[in-house]
Amino acid sequence: EPEVTQTPSHQVTQMGQEVILRCVPISNHLYFYWYRQILGQKVEFLVSFYNNEISEKSEIFDDQFSVERPDGSNFTLKIRSTKLEDSAMYFCASSQKWGNLYEQYFGPGTRLTVT
Amino acid sequence: GENVEQHPSTLSVQEGDSAVIKCTYSDSASNYFPWYKQELGKRPQLIIDIRSNVGEKKDQRIAVTLNKTAKHFSLHITETQPEDSAVYFCAPNSGNTPLVFGKGTRLSVIA
Repeated sequence: EPEVTQTPSHQVTQMGQEVILRCVPISNHLYFYWYRQILGQKVEFLVSFYNNEISEKSEIFDDQFSVERPDGSNFTLKIRSTKLEDSAMYFCASSQKWGNLYEQYFGPGTRLTVT
Repeated sequence: GENVEQHPSTLSVQEGDSAVIKCTYSDSASNYFPWYKQELGKRPQLIIDIRSNVGEKKDQRIAVTLNKTAKHFSLHITETQPEDSAVYFCAPNSGNTPLVFGKGTRLSVIA
């Protein structure tokens, strides 16, 4: 069964550094998402992406964040200047459709640790 | 926006007993009601979902019931097993909005 994949599984970075988290969504999916989960807390929506542009973003997704689909398979989340509070698990998800209630499939996550 | 509450926050049951987790939501436009299971350190995995045109759906030991009038839906797990121990999240949405997760319910099944 096809799965969403993410790399790296764990990223350690120093405060102020830039990080890029990578995701490969399921191949026939058209809608892509990033969520984050601070340790012990709920999963929070960051951004959704369709047709090469952002569909929706949350208050968390400020100017320090950006997303890109640089080629036909990868979907990336960039954090320009990391802060301690960016430490979390970041999940990528994809779905076939948006408005027709198609389920979202999650990747295994990237644990980001900012020191 | 959607306001989602889950109860209880923690639940311990004896193996073989049933577990029920309730999710209340605020947005009357919500019409898709999934439940995700998350084991420690792993991704959320969809275990069951229900659309607003049905009141109940069952898949082996797992069932979801929906009360749209009262704006709540519940996850029912029967004959619980130790491998059911995990955190369970509800995430109602309208299909045109991102998933809004509840705070989660930590289920512990005691052998």
